Amino acid sequence: EPEVTQTPSHQVTQMGQEVILRCVPISNHLYFYWYRQILGQKVEFLVSFYNNEISEKSEIFDDQFSVERPDGSNFTLKIRSTKLEDSAMYFCASTNRGRNEKLFFGSGTQLSVL
Amino acid sequence: AQSVTQLGSHVSVSEGALVLLRCNYSSSVPPYLFWYVQYPNQGLQLLLKYTSAATLVKGINGFEAEFKKSETSFHLTKPSAHMSDAAEYFCAVRSQNTGGFKTIFGAGTRLFVKA
Repeated sequence: EPEVTQTPSHQVTQMGQEVILRCVPISNHLYFYWYRQILGQKVEFLVSFYNNEISEKSEIFDDQFSVERPDGSNFTLKIRSTKLEDSAMYFCASTNRGRNEKLFFGSGTQLSVL
Repeated sequence: AQSVTQLGSHVSVSEGALVLLRCNYSSSVPPYLFWYVQYPNQGLQLLLKYTSAATLVKGINGFEAEFKKSETSFHLTKPSAHMSDAAEYFCAVRSQNTGGFKTIFGAGTRLFVKA
């Protein structure tokens, strides 16, 4: 089965630094997502992206966050100035059609902000 | 607004016993419902989905779930637990026609299987 690929698997950064989390969605997919999961907590929606623009975002996705699909294959999440509370597992997901299609998840990037 | 509530953050069963993981949803419009499983250090994988066809949905690894509109429930069951079923299970909801394309996840239920 095709896979969503995320890099790096682990990222350690200092508070206030910028981080970019990278994802390569499945090639024919059209809808892209970022979710995060703080240790021991629920999987939280951050943002959805379709047709080269954000289609929806949560209250978590504030001005410190941005997403980009720079080259038609990568899908990135940037956090401009990381905070301690940004420490979490970040999952990228994609799907190729509409609402009844399953999400394909990557294995996640564990972000640790020190 | 849509949401899902999973009753029980932890469920422990013996190998061979019935698995029942509970999920109730809230949605003002007909929902699509999903169960995902997460094994340690991995992303989420779809177990099964309800998309307004049959109310009893069969998924992978012997799991199934029944959509009950009157109870707003979508409980996950498996007749006989296996050690390899130990994982975290997430119920999720997505609107059929409003609210963008986001999927909302429940808090998860960790399933422990005892030998």
